This record gives sequence, structure tokens and C-alpha cells, in this order.
Amino acid sequence: QKEVEQDPGPLSVPEGAIVSLNCTYSNSAFQYFMWYRQYSRKGPELLMYTYSSGNKEDGRFTAQVDKSSKYISLFIRDSQPSDSATYLCAMSGGQGSGTYKYIFGTGTRLKVLA
Amino acid sequence: DSGVTQTPKHLITATGQRVTLRCSPRSGDLSVYWYQQSLDQGLQFLIQYYNGEERAKGNILERFSAQQFPDLHSELNLSSLELGDSALYFCASSPRGGGREQYFGPGTRLTVT
Repeated sequence: QKEVEQDPGPLSVPEGAIVSLNCTYSNSAFQYFMWYRQYSRKGPELLMYTYSSGNKEDGRFTAQVDKSSKYISLFIRDSQPSDSATYLCAMSGGQGSGTYKYIFGTGTRLKVLA
Repeated sequence: DSGVTQTPKHLITATGQRVTLRCSPRSGDLSVYWYQQSLDQGLQFLIQYYNGEERAKGNILERFSAQQFPDLHSELNLSSLELGDSALYFCASSPRGGGREQYFGPGTRLTVT
């Protein structure tokens, strides 16, 4: 079993839709939860990170973490064709957790149709 | 622009050869991470350095090695190259030793023929 599982997609949605992207994980030591966006053949770009459980909002993006279920989500509101990319979740233990592992999911390919 | 630079952008070489990839982190960042991304594959963590010292090791082959220099730039050395080593190699930097954000460079595309 992989430490981080992410549905590879592809996920196709119409412009303006709400997109839900998810990851599950198995290592309870993870404390930091990140979402990255990667356009084709480019370096991943950090969208946002969350510490422990809870929600975090940044513009059209909302990240949710449920540590009890080992499940994280990224919601994109009012999706745009420019949001078409691969979205990668990432998790890390960080200092004090006993692990410095920084693990990426395999990414979900999203296509927003105009 | 993340502030992380990688050279070269593209590299084409033959099997059995050795190459060196270079990474300059963002100003002030102490950590450097190296990743390999093959076609349609996820990011595979190779190795992390923090302020010149190796901090964490991932799925890095024995043919690969890395180091971080006093000026904090890092080099990834790949030797005895095989066709399967063809991939995008990304470097990322972070202000901290663990957790939270990483800032990625544009990558080096390695093609082994």
C-alpha cells in the first residue's frame, strides 16, 4: 500500500463547476498537508498548505484536512480553463513528528472545458 | 518564477555516461530537495540536503549522488546512465529543514539514448 493515494483521473468538468480533488494517506505522523499545481512539463507550484486538521481558504481554493479519516481535499470554485493542470497532494511529518518524509501523491489530471 | 534555478534545461547523452545537474535555491533557503519525474509518473523523492548536510534519502539509486555546497547550491550526479534514467529532474528549495512549502525549479530534462 502506498503511503499517499491519489486518483490519477483525468477529471473533466465544465467551466464554472466546483472541483473536488482528494488524497488518502496511511502515515499518522504526517502533520503538514500541501497542494501543488503542475502544468505540463513545468515545475510544481505550491497552492497552499495546511497544518493538522481543519480548513483553509485562499481565493477560489479551499483545502480540508480530516486527520481522523486520513483524508484531505482541495476544492476549486468557479473553475476556469486556466485551472487545467495536474494537482498533486503532498504530506510531511516536519520537525518533532519523528519523520522528515515529504511524500507526493501521483497527481490528478484536471481538464476544465470552456 | 519561483526563484529556484536549474541548469541545464535539456541534456541528451548516451548510455553509460555521467552527467551533473545543478540547482541554485531561492535566496535564504537552506534546504534543497531532488526529485525524478518520469513520463506520466509521479514525483519520486531522491534526496534532501539541509545547510550542507544530508537530511533525508528517498529512492535514490547507488549510481546517483548529490551534494550541497557552502554557498547552498546543489549538484546531482548521475553515472552509468541507463535508458530508464530519462526523466525530468526537479530541484526544490525550502527555508526549513522539514515540512511545509517547497519551491520548485523549472527542471532539467534528461534524455539518455
